[in-house]
Amino acid sequence: EAQVTQNPRYLITVTGKKLTVTCSQNMNHEYMSWYRQDPGLGLRQIYYSMNVEVTDKGDVPEGYKVSRKEKRNFPLILESPSPNQTSLYFCASSLGSGYDNNEQFFGPGTRLTVL
Amino acid sequence: AQSVTQLDSQVPVFEEAPVELRCNYSSSVSVYLFWYVQYPNQGLQLLLKYLSGSTLVESINGFEAEFNKSQTSFHLRKPSVHISDTAEYFCAVRFPGGNKLTFGTGTQLKVEL
Repeated sequence: EAQVTQNPRYLITVTGKKLTVTCSQNMNHEYMSWYRQDPGLGLRQIYYSMNVEVTDKGDVPEGYKVSRKEKRNFPLILESPSPNQTSLYFCASSLGSGYDNNEQFFGPGTRLTVL
Repeated sequence: AQSVTQLDSQVPVFEEAPVELRCNYSSSVSVYLFWYVQYPNQGLQLLLKYLSGSTLVESINGFEAEFNKSQTSFHLRKPSVHISDTAEYFCAVRFPGGNKLTFGTGTQLKVEL
């Protein structure tokens, strides 16, 4: 089954304790992206990756890091989480640039609480 | 730059009544338009999209949206809603051939008996 998976689905942590949220897709997609969803703000892009070893900042990158060492994986790293990073996080993937029918597939979400 | 406006944060409606969720966009160039649905405690699913061709697009569960270039709108409608349509609905745009989706702030549709 074609899908985007994220782990963990729920995470409660404390300020300053490094964490990683994993994202994996099995569709051989080139493009992957992280979003955060906050009430009243919709989804905002954190980082994206056009392909392996190619990553760039989205609209709200502060406090986050990403890496793309393999095509299928795109982990989101919070080196020193703070309470304002409490949010619902979504990973998404799609074929890549140049495709009109370039539907983005979303993971199930990771609900992060930073105390 | 492009932006998406969903003016209604919440829309309550009775079952079997019609509903319209409004979406307006701003862009200096042509864009593709999307509606995503998020059911409680789930991820986002693509509901329908406009890429080109007929300005009226339909989903398999009875929703439709009409692209109106002059009004820069892509409103979502359903003639008769069901309890199971209770969800949050997001309008989004992206450039043709591009990757980045720009989302609106979402509209919570609550269908009541």
